[in-house]
Amino acid sequence: DVKVTQSSRYLVKRTGEKVFLECVQDMDHENMFWYRQDPGLGLRLIYFSYDVKMKEKGDIPEGYSVSREKKERFSLILESASTNQTSMYLCASRLTGGNQPQHFGDGTRLSIL
Amino acid sequence: AQSVTQLGSHVSVSEGALVLLRCNYSSSVPPYLFWYVQYPNQGLQLLLKYTTGATLVKGINGFEAEFKKSETSFHLTKPSAHMSDAAEYFCAVTGAGSYQLTFGKGTKLSVIP
Repeated sequence: DVKVTQSSRYLVKRTGEKVFLECVQDMDHENMFWYRQDPGLGLRLIYFSYDVKMKEKGDIPEGYSVSREKKERFSLILESASTNQTSMYLCASRLTGGNQPQHFGDGTRLSIL
Repeated sequence: AQSVTQLGSHVSVSEGALVLLRCNYSSSVPPYLFWYVQYPNQGLQLLLKYTTGATLVKGINGFEAEFKKSETSFHLTKPSAHMSDAAEYFCAVTGAGSYQLTFGKGTKLSVIP
C-alpha cells in the first residue's frame, strides 16, 4: 500500500513565522501535490511537482513556496505566516498519468495565531 | 478547463437505505473521474475511479458509480447504507496528460440509525 506521511497532524504557529510542512511518500511516485482544504471551499491546489526539483503553481500559490530536493519528499513553506493561512493542509502523490489516482496523507491542521 | 458540481452539501439517509450522491462534471477532454471519501480528521481515501472501458465501476466498501457521458454525470451509489459510511465524499475530474485534479466541494453523508 502507498503511504504518504505528513510530519505533523496539528501545528500552531504565530503570524510572521516561517513555517515548514513536510511530506514523504514511499512508493517512488513522480508527482506530488499540496492542497489546502477549507469548509465550503473544498480542496484547492497550492503547488505541485512533477519530478525532482520541478514545481508548478496551482490555483492559490500566493504566500507559499515549495521544495523538492529528493523524489520522496515534498515540502510546503509559508514564508511569513498569516492568520488567513489557518487551514487543513493535505499532501498527495501519484504515478505520472492522468488516469493514476492521487494518494493522500492524513493532513496537517495548521493554526496561525 | 474542468469543473465538478456535487449536488447537495449534506445528504441524510436511514441505515439500510439507498445512498445516492450526485456528481456532474464538465471537461474539454475525455475525463478521468474519481470518488474519494474523507473521515473526520483524516486524509482522502480513494473509493473508485473511471478511466476507460466499462462505465459501471465498482469500488471499495460496496460503492459503485456509473459514468454517463451524455449526462456528464458520475453519481455514486450504495444499495444499503451502514453507519460506518458517515463521512464526506468528494468527486474529482482530470484529463489525460493533466496534473491538475479538480474537486467538487464535497457532500457530507449522515446515516440515521
